[in-house]
Amino acid sequence: GEEVAQTPKHLVRGEGQKAKLYCAPIKGHSYVFWYQQVLKNEFKFLISFQNENVFDETGMPKERFSAKCLPNSPCSLEIQATKLEDSAVYFCASSLEVGTAGEQYFGPGTRLTVT
Amino acid sequence: QKEVEQNSGPLSVPEGAIASLNCTYSDRGSQSFFWYRQYSGKSPELIMSIYSNGDKEDGRFTAQLNKASQYVSLLIRDSQPSDSATYLCAVRPGGSYIPTFGRGTSLIVHP
Repeated sequence: GEEVAQTPKHLVRGEGQKAKLYCAPIKGHSYVFWYQQVLKNEFKFLISFQNENVFDETGMPKERFSAKCLPNSPCSLEIQATKLEDSAVYFCASSLEVGTAGEQYFGPGTRLTVT
Repeated sequence: QKEVEQNSGPLSVPEGAIASLNCTYSDRGSQSFFWYRQYSGKSPELIMSIYSNGDKEDGRFTAQLNKASQYVSLLIRDSQPSDSATYLCAVRPGGSYIPTFGRGTSLIVHP
């Protein structure tokens, strides 16, 4: 599509439950990025993919977070055993390339609330 | 730690005025610079990207980059109330494909 799509818009989970978020990049974009926005305007990079391959996962808390981008499927970000501190808006972005330009376009985000 | 600093504001300007938003960064090897606008409760929207020293104009927006002084700015001419939002500066450090985001400057344009 012409826009990055993310589902669901809102997700509420009890502490300890699993949360799974989905992202469909702009058609033709090879790169997908996941960010966490906890406090207002503070973006934390989590992980990026080039097609179905992990490109950079330096920001990923590996104990409970995992992500995949499989062919012909939306990308997913999964949080096992959610904690209160995981409450945030999770944004997915996609880009055509990661060279000098590499402009990223963001999806509408998924607001995760852990109670 | 690669840092991107922005004044959190709010920056308040009257309608029709020029709004000037500034951003400084710590990594001298940075090559790519982006300005995003984020309305409250919405996702960031790319406004401008700039890669070379100097000015780049797009409609009412002008991005200015000075690599020697390590700052990038965004000017908004003829500011409108609809420009009221948080403006995020993102800088891609040298050797990395992942941009570092500033915390954003809140802009309020009052009628």
